[in-house]
Amino acid sequence: ELKVEQNPLFLSMQEGKNYTIYCNYSTTSDRLYWYRQDPGKSLESLFVLLSNGAVKQEGRLMASLDTKARLSTLHITAAVHDLSATYFCAVDTQGGSEKLVFGKGTKLTVNP
Amino acid sequence: EPEVTQTPSHQVTQMGQEVILRCVPISNHLYFYWYRQILGQKVEFLVSFYNNEISEKSEIFDDQFSVERPDGSNFTLKIRSTKLEDSAMYFCASSATRLNTGELFFGEGSRLTVL
Repeated sequence: ELKVEQNPLFLSMQEGKNYTIYCNYSTTSDRLYWYRQDPGKSLESLFVLLSNGAVKQEGRLMASLDTKARLSTLHITAAVHDLSATYFCAVDTQGGSEKLVFGKGTKLTVNP
Repeated sequence: EPEVTQTPSHQVTQMGQEVILRCVPISNHLYFYWYRQILGQKVEFLVSFYNNEISEKSEIFDDQFSVERPDGSNFTLKIRSTKLEDSAMYFCASSATRLNTGELFFGEGSRLTVL
């Protein structure tokens, strides 16, 4: 059974600092998704990583995927308060499945 | 920008009552999903639906749950006899292609509170 582990689960950081959120998963997959969720809101798609070595960047966020290590990272550069949210990674279970397995989420708070 | 819409945004119901949550997926999408998120917890897959039938379901999706696409636009989730533990945010999602090539778009969610 596919397990997805995110760490840290809670992250409090200062504006202007850099940090990385990690997403590990337990079985082979080469498709990984990052979502942002604001309190009480839906899941906003940030990145879709569809192959080993994929790297995508949008503004202050950059996501990468290493399928050999079964690891994805979401790197935050020069954080700003607006980035405060919960970030989820989700992994496609493959094998013909249409199911995404989500991590528990990382609640990011960026302090002024 | 096309979006997935869900109604109601919040429903409060008594234990044992039937609930129907409605979703209008993005119009050219072919794959439809329901996920749920119990407050403060992770998002969990319930069911996927393609070509007018369930393609996959999780252990959570027991006989109390059903889905249908009654009119070619709406996609509904019915909970026949709600339990306290069904209280959660239910997200509908849709995709234009199979998940392994495409992106999943989520609706705003329907919060279900079972008393």
